Amino acid sequence: EAGVAQSPRYKIIEKRQSVAFWCNPISGHATLYWYQQILGQGPKLLIQFQNNGVVDDSQLPKDRFSAERLKGVDSTLKIQPAKLEDSAVYLCASSLVGGNQETQYFGPGTRLLVL
Amino acid sequence: QQPVQSPQAVILREGEDAVINCSSSKALYSVHWYRQKHGEAPVFLMILLKGGEQKGHEKISASFNEKKQQSSLYLTASQLSYSGTYFCGTDLTGNQFYFGTGTSLTVIP
Repeated sequence: EAGVAQSPRYKIIEKRQSVAFWCNPISGHATLYWYQQILGQGPKLLIQFQNNGVVDDSQLPKDRFSAERLKGVDSTLKIQPAKLEDSAVYLCASSLVGGNQETQYFGPGTRLLVL
Repeated sequence: QQPVQSPQAVILREGEDAVINCSSSKALYSVHWYRQKHGEAPVFLMILLKGGEQKGHEKISASFNEKKQQSSLYLTASQLSYSGTYFCGTDLTGNQFYFGTGTSLTVIP
């Protein structure tokens, strides 16, 4: 079974530029999560989708971050414009159904460096 | 909202035991435990649901005390492969998930 795919793996941009990350979850997984993990900290949930609907985006900085999951499969996370403090690893995870009994399977992450 | 883990870091010799604690200020629906090795994505260990049940996974087990809003992860007879950062993840409402502050575990020969 293929795992969660993410691209790119690494990205370096200058502040005020825009950037987009892509995630393809495990086939058949209805729930998709985007996390931001700053060095030395635990992952912080940015947004959770159930199929193509948003379940929770309470920690998403909506003035600069946006995410979509068209057709309920793959997803894109965008930052526009980027700030220095956005430097982090962006992790995508998926689970079969969602809710509190589900294992989350993580992708390899995208390392973003904002200069 | 973020659960607090203790200790922040621990160093063990192979074969020693360790306990990692996770405390929340809010009532929990469930607790998840993940291990993350340096430069890699978190990997699932186990999920515990309300009811105080204890789960086991080889030499790694965990308990969940919903009244105290706490969970503990027990690692027995540690192996070098256990090294990494351990995170608890807490589900507050069924739809809000927060990872803990993390515990760095290093096992030395």
